[in-house]
Amino acid sequence: GENVEQHPSTLSVQEGDSAVIKCTYSDSASNYFPWYKQELGKGPQLIIDIRSNVGEKKDQRIAVTLNKTAKHFSLHITETQPEDSAVYFCAASQNVAGNKLTFGGGTRVLVKP
Amino acid sequence: DGGITQSPKYLFRKEGQNVTLSCEQNLNHDAMYWYRQDPGQGLRLIYYSQIVNDFQKGDIAEGYSVSREKKESFPLTVTSAQKNPTAFYLCASSIGGLNNQPQHFGDGTRLSIL
Repeated sequence: GENVEQHPSTLSVQEGDSAVIKCTYSDSASNYFPWYKQELGKGPQLIIDIRSNVGEKKDQRIAVTLNKTAKHFSLHITETQPEDSAVYFCAASQNVAGNKLTFGGGTRVLVKP
Repeated sequence: DGGITQSPKYLFRKEGQNVTLSCEQNLNHDAMYWYRQDPGQGLRLIYYSQIVNDFQKGDIAEGYSVSREKKESFPLTVTSAQKNPTAFYLCASSIGGLNNQPQHFGDGTRLSIL
């Protein structure tokens, strides 16, 4: 089955700096890669996703890049703000019935004012 | 507002007791999912359902059961066979179908052992 590794497990950045989280996946058949943000005591919230026919996608301060050959994808947050502090999860799934997501272990991001 | 509602927010289980977690969605989504989250870890899939009256086991289904009698509801029962039930349980839904659609999550139920 699919295996998703996520690094780093914790990330501390100064407000205004950029944050980068990296994930690798094992199954070359995976073709959908969402990123979720989870605040304390809440469910994960989808912040951006990318499909395998696209190499990069941006949404304001957030961008995701995908390297299919190397089987890795990354989340980039620019101009970080204190409200970006949360746990971020990457995930991968295939275009088959069920669309089951396999999640990475999460990255705890702390933005210091 | 459209969304996914999980209840209760906190739940306590006694030894040998079955407990049922509720998940309701008004998004008209076909697919629904249950995940388990342990402290400091990612989410693991327990069960999923692509359509009413149909469901499949995920990666950690042992000790759990589900039903899908209505499109909007997907309750999860944690049975006494689940020896380590303490965790944060998350329900999600998506439009479904074969072309990967985003999954949207509820705010979870935290289950603890008494």
